[in-house]
Amino acid sequence: KAGVTQTPRYLIKTRGQQVTLSCSPISGHRSVSWYQQTPGQGLQFLFEYFSETQRNKGNFPGRFSGRQFSNSRSEMNVSTLELGDSALYLCATSPGSANTEAFFGQGTRLTVV
Amino acid sequence: KQEVTQIPAALSVPEGENLVLNCSFTDSAIYNLQWFRQDPGKGLTSLLLIQSSQREQTSGRLNASLDKSSGRSTLYIAASQPGDSATYLCAVDSNYQLIWGAGTKLIIKP
Repeated sequence: KAGVTQTPRYLIKTRGQQVTLSCSPISGHRSVSWYQQTPGQGLQFLFEYFSETQRNKGNFPGRFSGRQFSNSRSEMNVSTLELGDSALYLCATSPGSANTEAFFGQGTRLTVV
Repeated sequence: KQEVTQIPAALSVPEGENLVLNCSFTDSAIYNLQWFRQDPGKGLTSLLLIQSSQREQTSGRLNASLDKSSGRSTLYIAASQPGDSATYLCAVDSNYQLIWGAGTKLIIKP
C-alpha cells in the first residue's frame, strides 16, 4: 500500500514568487491536512480538507491557500513568498472520520531566498 | 485554546535504559492523542494512537498512556537502543486538526 506522497521534495524560490505543493493521500483516505514546521514555531496547522471541502483553517494569512480534488489529492499554494515562509511543509492524510490515525508524507522543504 | 507541552525538551541516556517522555494538554476535549517520531530532516512517523476512550496502547517496546482528566500522556520506551534516537512529538486531535507539542529530542548513547 503506497504511503502519502508529497511533491516536490525540495524547492528554492525567490521572494515575491508563488509556489504550489502537492499531496497524494493513501488510497481510501479522504481527509488531507497541511502543516508548517519551522525551528522557531514548531508544527503549525494550516488547513484540513475532506471531500473537497475545507473543514478547518489555521491562523495563517490569506497568502496561504489550498484545495482538494475529487480524487482526494490536495494542493497548497503560497503567493507572494516571504523569507519567513521557508519551512518544511507536511501533509497528513486519514480516512476522515473522527478518531482516526494520521499518516504523514516526507514533506516539501521550501527555501525562500 | 488547547496547548500541548512536552517535557523534557531533550534527553540523553545510555543504551539499554527504560525511559519516559511526558506530554500534557490543557483541554480534555480531544478525539485522540498520537505520538510521532521524527528523524532529522524527515517527515513524521506515527508510533501510537490512543483514542479518547482508551487508557493505553502498546507497540513492541513502546507503551503510551492517556489520562484525559489530568491532561497527561506518557510514552514509555523499554530497553532503549541507539536507533531510537530521534525527536518524539505528541499531538492531540481536536476539531479536525492536530495540535502539537514542541517535542523531546532523544539521544541514546551506545
